[in-house]
Amino acid sequence: GAGVSQSPSNKVTEKGKDVELRCDPISGHTALYWYRQSLGQGLEFLIYFQGNSAPDKSGLPSDRFSAERTGGSVSTLTIQRTQQEDSAVYLCASSLGVWGALGETQYFGPGTRLLVL
Amino acid sequence: QQPVQSPQAVILREGEDAVINCSSSKALYSVHWYRQKHGEAPVFLMILLKGGEQKGHEKISASFNEKKQQSSLYLTASQLSYSGTYFCGTEPGTDKLIFGTGTRLQVFP
Repeated sequence: GAGVSQSPSNKVTEKGKDVELRCDPISGHTALYWYRQSLGQGLEFLIYFQGNSAPDKSGLPSDRFSAERTGGSVSTLTIQRTQQEDSAVYLCASSLGVWGALGETQYFGPGTRLLVL
Repeated sequence: QQPVQSPQAVILREGEDAVINCSSSKALYSVHWYRQKHGEAPVFLMILLKGGEQKGHEKISASFNEKKQQSSLYLTASQLSYSGTYFCGTEPGTDKLIFGTGTRLQVFP
């Protein structure tokens, strides 16, 4: 079975452009998580989905960020009007169940390295 | 709001033990632990839920004291593979995590 995959693996964009990051979770995993890690910094939680819905979107850094998940599978993180401070590694993880439930172990993808010039 | 991890860095020889602490100023619903090696994605270790839970994962175990709003990660008989940065993530019951600044652990032969 394939693990969590993310695309693109690297993305260089110009300030002001929109970018779309994709996450393909492990088949059958109902929970999906997005994190961000700036260069040399710690982890930052962005959002998680249980099925297609996100209980709390307040972890997204600004209203330029949006995330959706369709069909209980693939998720897309979109950043509009990118800024240099958006440069980071964007990580996706999935798990069979949500926190505290059976199958809570999260499996991470390799990440998308975003550089905004 | 960010939980405080201590110590910031630990250096061990193989076989030695270590304890990493995570303290929050807010009431917590759960605590999550991750390990990340340089240049790699994080690896999920475990989640501890409110209720004073303790869990073990190989030679790595953790405890959660919700009254004290803190969690401790115990690494016993450390191996070279334990090297990395350990992050705790605290959940104050709001369906999102707040991560600590991390503890860098290095294990030498």
